[in-house]
Amino acid sequence: DAGVIQSPRHEVTEMGQEVTLRCKPISGHDYLFWYRQTMMRGLELLIYFNNNVPIDDSGMPEDRFSAKMPNASFSTLKIQPSEPRDSAVYFCASSSGSDTQYFGPGTRLTVL
Amino acid sequence: EDQVTQSPEALRLQEGESSSLNCSYTVSGLRGLFWYRQDPGKGPEFLFTLYSAGEEKEKERLKATLTKKESFLHITAPKPEDSATYLCAVRENQAGTALIFGKGTTLSVSS
Repeated sequence: DAGVIQSPRHEVTEMGQEVTLRCKPISGHDYLFWYRQTMMRGLELLIYFNNNVPIDDSGMPEDRFSAKMPNASFSTLKIQPSEPRDSAVYFCASSSGSDTQYFGPGTRLTVL
Repeated sequence: EDQVTQSPEALRLQEGESSSLNCSYTVSGLRGLFWYRQDPGKGPEFLFTLYSAGEEKEKERLKATLTKKESFLHITAPKPEDSATYLCAVRENQAGTALIFGKGTTLSVSS
């Protein structure tokens, strides 16, 4: 199994630009999670989906953030417009049922 | 107030010097405690899940234990390749499948 796949691995953009992060979960997993990791706050859950349906988005910091899961093998996290404080590493994870979550390699986002 | 607290924040050991990392939690109903290892520039890698007080899990030089208020990750005779950040996470009874992570302990093992 290829594991969770994320793209791009690194993204550098300027303040105000739209950023789209992509995730392909492990095949057969029905849960998908988006996390953000910073030195100050550690690893924080932003949103998670079950069978492509958003279940809990209480961690999404503000309306500039949105996430979609159009099918079982693809999800996006979009930030529009981006701000310097959005700079962080964004991780996608997937699981089968409420079992162990497996993480992707992350996308390091830098907003200038 | 943090629901999951890990200590120490950083730990430096000599190769072969055993020690323990601590993870204390204050969630109301525990539905699982997870340990992950994270190497620089990579995503967290799953190590163990513990479900009830008294439970223990082992993997190579690592052993995880669980009480009603905390978990320990014991590292026996560590090697430099054990250097990483170790993350603890809990799942609450009322929180669906969401995990609450601690900020981690960064372990450095020198030869």
